[in-house]
Amino acid sequence: DGGITQSPKYLFRKEGQNVTLSCEQNLNHDAMYWYRQDPGQGLRLIYYSQIVNDFQKGDIAEGYSVSREKKESFPLTVTSAQKNPTAFYLCASSIAQAGETQYFGPGTRLLVL
Amino acid sequence: DAKTTQPTSMDCAEGRAANLPCNHSTISGNEYVYWYRQIHSQGPQYIIHGLKNNETNEMASLIITEDRKSSTLILPHATLRDTAVYYCIVRATGANSKLTFGKGITLSVRP
Repeated sequence: DGGITQSPKYLFRKEGQNVTLSCEQNLNHDAMYWYRQDPGQGLRLIYYSQIVNDFQKGDIAEGYSVSREKKESFPLTVTSAQKNPTAFYLCASSIAQAGETQYFGPGTRLLVL
Repeated sequence: DAKTTQPTSMDCAEGRAANLPCNHSTISGNEYVYWYRQIHSQGPQYIIHGLKNNETNEMASLIITEDRKSSTLILPHATLRDTAVYYCIVRATGANSKLTFGKGITLSVRP
């Protein structure tokens, strides 16, 4: 079964801790993305990557970091510098960033204790 | 900067057609109209997209006006499982072109 997986489904973080959200895809897609969604709001782009070992900041990158060491994986780290991390985090992928349809994973809900 | 305008919410009866409008009066010639939907607490799901011709797939039909300033997503026979937030997005196809999600329209399908 091809698709995008995100884990865990729910994640709890203590204040001051870094946490890493996993995103894996077996669709052989080149591009991957991370979005954040707050209650009742649309999605906002955090980071995106068009190719392995390369990534760019989106609209709200402050307090987040990413890596793209493998084509299949694009983990997102929410650092302690992110002052309001509680949100629903969505990962997506596409064949290439230039206009291709993005397909989304099921999301990870992060809660700060 | 919002490129699309959608009503906040609408409802329809199960089994009837749901027509979801979207205004995009500032759309450029190289920009496509995309529709996604998001069922509560799930990731968005791609539905359909088009440039200027009407499009149809197994999920829905997309009707784009001749001047391309508005479009309508049609779910021909709505079911309770179609209850979701529907996002209309305008997007160019060049490099560094991203999806910008607004608040969408909440469709409620009633029994």
